[in-house]
Amino acid sequence: GAVVSQHPSRVICKSGTSVKIECRSLDFQATTMFWYRQFPKQSLMLMATSNEGSKATYEQGVEKDKFLINHASLTLSTLTVTSAHPEDSSFYICSARDPGMNNEQFFGPGTRLTVL
Amino acid sequence: GENVEQHPSTLSVQEGDSAVIKCTYSDSASNYFPWYKQELGKGPQLIIDIRSNVGEKKDQRIAVTLNKTAKHFSLHITETQPEDSAVYFCAAITGGFKTIFGAGTRLFVKA
Repeated sequence: GAVVSQHPSRVICKSGTSVKIECRSLDFQATTMFWYRQFPKQSLMLMATSNEGSKATYEQGVEKDKFLINHASLTLSTLTVTSAHPEDSSFYICSARDPGMNNEQFFGPGTRLTVL
Repeated sequence: GENVEQHPSTLSVQEGDSAVIKCTYSDSASNYFPWYKQELGKGPQLIIDIRSNVGEKKDQRIAVTLNKTAKHFSLHITETQPEDSAVYFCAAITGGFKTIFGAGTRLFVKA
């Protein structure tokens, strides 16, 4: 299957700082990428849909000014958690839809964010 | 709204036994149903999927069945092994191309 990478895999930051997470599709071009948040022992919660060249679509209850998404190219989307607080600590997972494989969705390995 | 229910939340089986996880969905326009396996600290991995024009699909020890009339789909794992232990998520792609996940099933395979 297609490969999606995320960087960094783990990040620890101080409260009030901003953190950027990168999501890359390594062997295909993804016009659509998705950002999820996952709390321990819970399912994936869709935060936003990222479309290349246009503004992201945020799910209800997700603050767009808090979670900035930039889909600058067909292989890269970034999520920036601005002014992070301890309650933002979570596992963030991106995924990308591969139009060459019937739009199947492939997930990155996730980023563990800890805000102190 | 759009919803996917998954049962059971936890499943414990003896090595070699079969495991079955069931899901129901609400959006009748859903036409693609993937299953993901997630190991601790990792992202979900697609293990099998089924589209609405098919009733059953099998890949070695894993099979998925779909009943569109009842809006049910199930994952069957035969001859379970300890390495099958993980969290399994079902999902449905709705008519609006949004992926809705089930709550997950934590599978324990005891050696």
